[in-house]
Amino acid sequence: GQQLNQSPQSMFIQEGEDVSMNCTSSSIFNTWLWYKQDPGEGPVLLIALYKAGELTSNGRLTAQFGITRKDSFLNISASIPSDVGIYFCAGQSSSSSASKIIFGSGTRLSIRP
Amino acid sequence: DAGITQSPRHKVTETGTPVTLRCHQTENHRYMYWYRQDPGHGLRLIHYSYGVKDTDKGEVSDGYSVSRSKTEDFLLTLESATSSQTSVYFCATSGGQGQPQHFGDGTRLSIL
Repeated sequence: GQQLNQSPQSMFIQEGEDVSMNCTSSSIFNTWLWYKQDPGEGPVLLIALYKAGELTSNGRLTAQFGITRKDSFLNISASIPSDVGIYFCAGQSSSSSASKIIFGSGTRLSIRP
Repeated sequence: DAGITQSPRHKVTETGTPVTLRCHQTENHRYMYWYRQDPGHGLRLIHYSYGVKDTDKGEVSDGYSVSRSKTEDFLLTLESATSSQTSVYFCATSGGQGQPQHFGDGTRLSIL
């Protein structure tokens, strides 16, 4: 079946650093989504991308829909402590019914003390 | 987010007992989903619904059943719980084809 490869699995950063993570797939997607999950809570939608090449920002977050439609990246600029959490990418293909999506395995972001 | 309430938030039960988890939404979204989240596996789709009384299986549906008698409620039932079903369960909703999914805060289920 379809799979998303998300990297890195985890990263430790200093406050103020920029962060970059990405997702790749062997399949083409029509939609790429980025979610963040805090402990004890459900994933929260950060950014939705609907067109190949699209670059969208949400505050300090920027995400891009790859031109091949098989990848996406998320950048966080000038990280702050509340950025800590797990970030998930998700993709939806044109063949997917009922708005189903496939999730990556997540990137765990931690702040170095 | 999207007015999604899951109940209960935590439950501990014994192997072999039936368990029902409830998802309630106030957004009038057409699509509803149940996922489980386990370390190393991310979020995996159990069942989903594309309308009242319309449901279908996801990738990990064995041992689970669902029902949707009203737009706002989607129930997940474990007929005879097993220890392998210990997990965190998330409900999600979507307003239409191609629209993002929004998640509830989860139910932590422990089966002893």
